[in-house]
Amino acid sequence: GAGVSQSPSNKVTEKGKDVELRCDPISGHTALYWYRQSLGQGLEFLIYFQGNSAPDKSGLPSDRFSAERTGGSVSTLTIQRTQQEDSAVYLCASSLSPQHSQPQHFGDGTRLSIL
Amino acid sequence: GENVEQHPSTLSVQEGDSAVIKCTYSDSASNYFPWYKQELGKRPQLIIDIRSNVGEKKDQRIAVTLNKTAKHFSLHITETQPEDSAVYFCAATDDKIIFGKGTRLHILP
Repeated sequence: GAGVSQSPSNKVTEKGKDVELRCDPISGHTALYWYRQSLGQGLEFLIYFQGNSAPDKSGLPSDRFSAERTGGSVSTLTIQRTQQEDSAVYLCASSLSPQHSQPQHFGDGTRLSIL
Repeated sequence: GENVEQHPSTLSVQEGDSAVIKCTYSDSASNYFPWYKQELGKRPQLIIDIRSNVGEKKDQRIAVTLNKTAKHFSLHITETQPEDSAVYFCAATDDKIIFGKGTRLHILP
């Protein structure tokens, strides 16, 4: 079946512009996660959705970052007034259960480059 | 808060030898411990996981052991092959999922 799909795969934009990243989770997966991964680094947790609600937003770096999920499916991560330090790969993952005790299935990520 | 320490950060192993990666966690309520493999430029993928009611789990050349008392768990890869070269991440979960910083495994020919 289809896996987690993210778009765009690559995004290059100028500093100060807004960007929107999209994640299509596996159908039926209740939980959805966003992570940020800088080059050669680990997985930095950003936000977790359980259905359409976000019980854990603790990883969002600043108020320039926001995310929403609609219909218990597609999620968008928005970064406003982008800065060069926002350059990274943004990974989305989905999981069958709302608890964290199920495997996460990752997308291929969006590589964001801020000029 | 919960913390997961992963060691070593880099590991080089001769092809055919075994590799061991260790993680420690701080929250005794953690109950699920997955391991993910990320090849260069690819997405992380689950390779094995273990729950807190089990001490060891094996899948072909890969095994994971869990010591709840000491709050540490380890990934063991036997008879390593070139395709095992990747970054490996451990994680511990309770009401949050916390990842280790990763181990870059190099398999030497």
